[in-house]
Amino acid sequence: QVQLVQSGAEMRKPGASVKVSCEASAFIFTDYFIHWVRQAPGQGLEWMGWITPNSGATHSAQKFQGRLTMTRDTSINTAYMELSGLTSDDTAIYYCARRWNKSFYSFDIWGQGALVTVSS
Amino acid sequence: QSVLTQPPSASGTPGQRVTISCFGSRFNIGSGIVNWYQHVPGAAPRLLINNDHQRPSGVPDRFSGSKSGTSASLAISGLQPEDEADYYCEAWDDSLNGPVFGGGTKLTVL
Repeated sequence: QVQLVQSGAEMRKPGASVKVSCEASAFIFTDYFIHWVRQAPGQGLEWMGWITPNSGATHSAQKFQGRLTMTRDTSINTAYMELSGLTSDDTAIYYCARRWNKSFYSFDIWGQGALVTVSS
Repeated sequence: QSVLTQPPSASGTPGQRVTISCFGSRFNIGSGIVNWYQHVPGAAPRLLINNDHQRPSGVPDRFSGSKSGTSASLAISGLQPEDEADYYCEAWDDSLNGPVFGGGTKLTVL
């Protein structure tokens, strides 16, 4: 079954970092872009950045540049999203999603989401 | 504030037809395609419409999409209680080298 399976819920204190994983199965991981999208409580979907597992190239939304690190391990078909300098505003559900390419494509498979709670 | 503009809410009774609009610019909707996602709280978003008007396998034909210029719309006919969810439009923005989403429309089935 084609799917993305994410790691579980995390709780962090302000100033800490969090790393969320996203494991791909039943498709060729390196053929797709993996994007990270989050949803804060009561808010809409917010795009954070993408990684292309083939080369490891990344691009982040300006808002997250300097705080967001996206990596991948092609040996285990897993992408990672690490966000540093956490504040309460980073409390959100973090989703990974695959996209074949940039324009003219869509997010056809999503992970189940990982809740990250930032609280002192 | 979202790059794409959607109404925050919409509603209808079972069997009715509702439409949700999405307004963008020449950098996103005007230069590419629009996708729509259905998001039930607690679940992952689900691709509903891609390439402006195409339905992925398994999406009922009650859902339809259209686009004109820098705006798009999602129509749901024969509204059903299970359609109650948040709906998001999305398009690629060349100026950002990334996708942009609408703020989401909460659909209530009365």
